[in-house]
Amino acid sequence: DAGVIQSPRHEVTEMGQEVTLRCKPISGHNSLFWYRQTMMRGLELLIYFNNNVPIDDSGMPEDRFSAKMPNASFSTLKIQPSEPRDSAVYFCASSFASIRTNTGELFFGEGSRLTVL
Amino acid sequence: QQPVQSPQAVILREGEDAVINCSSSKALYSVHWYRQKHGEAPVFLMILLKGGEQKGHDKISASFNEKKQQSSLYLTASQLSYSGTYFCGTEIWGSGAGSYQLTFGKGTKLSVIP
Repeated sequence: DAGVIQSPRHEVTEMGQEVTLRCKPISGHNSLFWYRQTMMRGLELLIYFNNNVPIDDSGMPEDRFSAKMPNASFSTLKIQPSEPRDSAVYFCASSFASIRTNTGELFFGEGSRLTVL
Repeated sequence: QQPVQSPQAVILREGEDAVINCSSSKALYSVHWYRQKHGEAPVFLMILLKGGEQKGHDKISASFNEKKQQSSLYLTASQLSYSGTYFCGTEIWGSGAGSYQLTFGKGTKLSVIP
């Protein structure tokens, strides 16, 4: 399996522009997560989906952030308009949560490094 | 509720042992441990479920004390390849069916030197 695939790997944009980050989870996984990593705040959970349905988006910092998962093999995280403080590495991760344990290891993509000037 | 990790950083010589702690103020359902090398994505090490189990593979093991809501990661006879930042991630007990709110600590930076 190719693992979790994220694009773009690097994005440099100017303040006010729209940014769209993409993620293809591992086939067969039923949970998908978006995390943001910065030196100051570490790994922050932004939103996660279970069977394509958003379960908790309380970590999404503002209305400027939105995430969608139209099908089991694709998700997007959109920032509009972007601001310099959004600069971070955004990770997508997927997992298969078994019925028995309702948890499972997270497989992370390589991340999208966003720089907003 | 973000778990608290300690220490924040540790330097070891090859062959030495280390313990990384993770604690929560909430009742935990599970604890995950991940290692992240610089410029790379976090990589899964192990999961411990409510029940006080201990797990391990190779020379890395972990325990989960559910009474204290604490987990510890044990690295024995450290190797250069163990260098990286170690994160614990916690799931709070009772957060609902289908809940999977894995919250990570700020990490412990481990450096193993020759």
